[in-house]
Amino acid sequence: SAVISQKPSRDICQRGTSLTIQCQVDSQVTMMFWYRQQPGQSLTLIATANQGSEATYESGFVIDKFPISRPNLTFSTLTVSNMSPEDSSIYLCSVELIDRSSYNEQFFGPGTRLTVL
Amino acid sequence: GESVGLHLPTLSVQEGDNSIINCAYSNSASDYFIWYKQESGKGPQFIIDIRSNMDKRQGQRVTVLLNKTVKHLSLQIAATQPGDSAVYFCAEASFGNEKLTFGTGTRLTIIP
Repeated sequence: SAVISQKPSRDICQRGTSLTIQCQVDSQVTMMFWYRQQPGQSLTLIATANQGSEATYESGFVIDKFPISRPNLTFSTLTVSNMSPEDSSIYLCSVELIDRSSYNEQFFGPGTRLTVL
Repeated sequence: GESVGLHLPTLSVQEGDNSIINCAYSNSASDYFIWYKQESGKGPQFIIDIRSNMDKRQGQRVTVLLNKTVKHLSLQIAATQPGDSAVYFCAEASFGNEKLTFGTGTRLTIIP
């Protein structure tokens, strides 16, 4: 398994501002992903964070709104830009291990609970 | 697009009884399925997975059943405990595609 930490764990922000969320994993991983979980709902994939190249975004998500960095194999950031109340959600980082024996097994961080006023 | 869904949004079970959580999927190309448990304020935690070449897989107190004919997945939890209270999500993926598609979730409440 992997130990994944996210910072901040929660934040309350004003509309129009931006917040950068950090994801740190304790081992090298092949894939890192960012998900959004709106209140009382399931998880929706925002993008795949690619090491050394631009992230791959899912339909409905764009780089200008959710810029992502992944400078190395253990760290990634997600920025929520120009926030509005509709961005209030839990943002989750997940990883897939390099030496995993299980197929596609993903481990999730604890999430960042964002409230936009 | 294709999606993964659940029959029951909430489920209450008496402590010590067995529980069954169901999930329907529609993408016939999916060949890998996972159940996650999410407790309040935490990220999803991997419970058990199953590949499409299997019908059943057992873990500690949990069993996952896969019926490919009707595209149905279930999670059975035996001898439920208060710590089993959480939201349970099924997710699907296909070989070569690392992305998971999550179902809507079922909230399981264990009644003491």
